[in-house]
Amino acid sequence: AQSVTQLGSHVSVSEGALVLLRCNYSSSVPPYLFWYVQYPNQGLQLLLKYTTGATLVKGINGFEAEFKKSETSFHLTKPSAHMSDAAEYFCAVRSMYNNNDMRFGAGTRLTVKP
Amino acid sequence: DTGVSQDPRHKITKRGQNVTFRCDPISEHNRLYWYRQTLGQGPEFLTYFQNEAQLEKSRLLSDRFSAERPKGSFSTLEIQRTEQGDSAMYLCASSTDTDRMSQYFGPGTRLLVL
Repeated sequence: AQSVTQLGSHVSVSEGALVLLRCNYSSSVPPYLFWYVQYPNQGLQLLLKYTTGATLVKGINGFEAEFKKSETSFHLTKPSAHMSDAAEYFCAVRSMYNNNDMRFGAGTRLTVKP
Repeated sequence: DTGVSQDPRHKITKRGQNVTFRCDPISEHNRLYWYRQTLGQGPEFLTYFQNEAQLEKSRLLSDRFSAERPKGSFSTLEIQRTEQGDSAMYLCASSTDTDRMSQYFGPGTRLLVL
């Protein structure tokens, strides 16, 4: 079975600072990995995904994530935080053999200070 | 296309009552998913449809829960004899066969059982 652990339920950064949201996964088979963002009272929006190929994945809004198999990690980064980045971020994993069961982490709430 | 829509956005009910939620996926998305999200947690997979066929159900989906997608377009999720533990956000997502990795989420239905 697959699972993800998001380290840090709350992360606070200053506007313009680096954003780093941590995600570690557990999977007995090659994983597909995702980052979603959720703004208040809205559904989840896909930021980026890793399936195969290049391990550095670029997504929307300037975010990127790197798949590191040796560290079983898929951390999300953004060089410079913007006030509009304040939201809840979810890391998710699914097996390449079962495309229907996506497992989400508990989420990390990002606060951006002016 | 305006994306995945869900109705109602909020529902307050008394314990023991039945409730029904509706999800309209993005048109031409033949895959439809239901998730439940409780406070402070990520979404948990409930069930999945390919067209009108319900192909997978999580063990979270007790026998009080039933989901349908009769014509392969919109879907309904019914909870019978609601319990306080059913209080959660119920999220719907859809995807195409060719891009199963990209699920598009609706805004969710927030259920409160008193």
